[in-house]
Amino acid sequence: DADVTQTPRNRITKTGKRIMLECSQTKGHDRMYWYRQDPGLGLRLIYYSFDVKDINKGEISDGYSVSRQAQAKFSLSLESAIPNQTALYFCATSDPPSGGTDTQYFGPGTRLTVL
Amino acid sequence: LAKTTQPISMDSYEGQEVNITCSHNNIATNDYITWYQQFPSQGPRFIIQGYKTKVTNEVASLFIPADRKSSTLSLPRVSLSDTAVYYCLVGRMDSSYKLIFGSGTRLLVRP
Repeated sequence: DADVTQTPRNRITKTGKRIMLECSQTKGHDRMYWYRQDPGLGLRLIYYSFDVKDINKGEISDGYSVSRQAQAKFSLSLESAIPNQTALYFCATSDPPSGGTDTQYFGPGTRLTVL
Repeated sequence: LAKTTQPISMDSYEGQEVNITCSHNNIATNDYITWYQQFPSQGPRFIIQGYKTKVTNEVASLFIPADRKSSTLSLPRVSLSDTAVYYCLVGRMDSSYKLIFGSGTRLLVRP
């Protein structure tokens, strides 16, 4: 979805380096998410934020940190990258609906390789 | 959190109707059922969501029996471009995140 952008789209780095992945959205949504996807597997939640002052750990938060700089921006950091963090990373946004539950809108993904 | 079980893969041919069933035996009263589609190296995209009975939109139908322990995504007259992974999610996000993406069903549509 073009309303959710991620930078960089591809990144190759070395073990021990600090890496930041950035996500921006123009949908005006309060809720933002970071997911990781390994080859052939589903998505796993790293962190989520329901508003600017809210940060919550997901299923696999170890080794990652996040920053919610504004409603539109949510960054994911790897303080000291390791090879098993090589994966496809997705950012997503949503807003609570009047009925049902959130529909998430995903960015194009960042392919991260840690050598 | 409700665990979901889907077939790992399915094959079909262009023009056929495809039905993908998801089992979710421990669905909670307030949970909704949501399906996403994912193409290679792209983020998942919302297809349809429902709570009970039948929901239909311009791309798919979702059938949910009365006991809500399973659901079936129906794709009418598939084309090659429907080749993708389809995820069934069960849960609800109110004050916290309560969803799990399973491994999904890989649908291959052949000419």
